[in-house]
Amino acid sequence: GENVEQHPSTLSVQEGDSAVIKCTYSDSASNYFPWYKQELGKRPQLIIDIRSNVGEKKDQRIAVTLNKTAKHFSLHITETQPEDSAVYFCAAGLPYGQNFVFGPGTRLSVLP
Amino acid sequence: SQTIHQWPATLVQPVGSPLSLECTVEGTSNPNLYWYRQAAGRGLQLLFYSVGIGQISSEVPQNLSASRPQDRQFILSSKKLLLSDSGFYLCAGQGPGTEAFFGQGTRLTVV
Repeated sequence: GENVEQHPSTLSVQEGDSAVIKCTYSDSASNYFPWYKQELGKRPQLIIDIRSNVGEKKDQRIAVTLNKTAKHFSLHITETQPEDSAVYFCAAGLPYGQNFVFGPGTRLSVLP
Repeated sequence: SQTIHQWPATLVQPVGSPLSLECTVEGTSNPNLYWYRQAAGRGLQLLFYSVGIGQISSEVPQNLSASRPQDRQFILSSKKLLLSDSGFYLCAGQGPGTEAFFGQGTRLTVV
């Protein structure tokens, strides 16, 4: 089955700096890679996703890059703000399959 | 749009008591459904997933069970709760060709 690793487990950045979170996956059949943001005590919510036919996708201050050959993908947040502080989860799998697997999460703290 | 209704939001139960958490899905048919548990400050642990009515796969051996009596209904149960069952339980659904979406979660405290 799929195995997803995520690094770092915790990340602190100064407000305005960039943050990068990296994930690797094991199953070459995976073709869908979403990122979720979970604020304290709340449900994870999708913030951006990418499919294997695309190398990079951007949405304002958030971008995701995918290297399918190396089996890794990354989340980039630019101009970080305090409200970006949360736990971020990557996931990998088929868009409609039971091997949809989450990484262990990264706790991002944006310091004012 | 796809939504998941999950209840209750919080629950305090004594050790040895039964448990029933329910979630229902709107806005999609024949979704994959998942139950996750999240300990404080930890990641998402997949407990069960279901690809259809009556079809349940267990990822982690434990005293919990799951059932899917209808296409859009997923239930997490236990006959006797343990202290270690405390945590934040999330129901998630995934419609055809879509991302996973989560219910609001249930914070369970076993005392």
